[in-house]
Amino acid sequence: DVKVTQSSRYLVKRTGEKVFLECVQDMDHENMFWYRQDPGLGLRLIYFSYDVKMKEKGDIPEGYSVSREKKERFSLILESASTNQTSMYLCASNAPGTGRSSYEQYFGPGTRLTVT
Amino acid sequence: QKEVEQNSGPLSVPEGAIASLNCTYSDRGSQSFFWYRQYSGKSPELIMFIYSNGDKEDGRFTAQLNKASQYVSLLIRDSQPSDSATYLCAVKADTGFQKLVFGTGTRLLVSP
Repeated sequence: DVKVTQSSRYLVKRTGEKVFLECVQDMDHENMFWYRQDPGLGLRLIYFSYDVKMKEKGDIPEGYSVSREKKERFSLILESASTNQTSMYLCASNAPGTGRSSYEQYFGPGTRLTVT
Repeated sequence: QKEVEQNSGPLSVPEGAIASLNCTYSDRGSQSFFWYRQYSGKSPELIMFIYSNGDKEDGRFTAQLNKASQYVSLLIRDSQPSDSATYLCAVKADTGFQKLVFGTGTRLLVSP
């Protein structure tokens, strides 16, 4: 069974703090993704990575950075948290050609981040 | 125009009825289409995917794809209160990496 875990379910941070969200998958997937989900806006892609040390910007990368030093771990970094980054953050992973379909993404449980 | 559009709902149906969820997409070259179910406070889980025009059935779920009209739908037969959730349509674009573009989701409420 594919398992994607995220470091925290709930997180409260202050404006200006540096925030680290971690995601770990145990299925040796090449691809990993970070999304944020907001009411009325759906899932929006922040960054993705297709290999160790490789990253690509998604649709809303501003204010975020990522790190992928090991294949199983993908970190999202908020360099200086702001209130408009209060959101649900979801990590996902996949490996093309596996799973019930190519491109199926497996999601972690999410981290609800509140920036005050 | 959004790349993937869904009616936000809520769509309310009585138990036992057929629920019909619709999704339109703008990229005519899109290849693969997915329906995810998301319960409140939970992460999305894949329930159906479809690549070819026509219908694909899996238990009580049927996905329908019409590439000429650029829409994909999900039918849920014999709807149950446990089907109450938000249903996200996702599309794999023709170009670019293996990323999915998600719609904003349709909230389905099945009343007993």
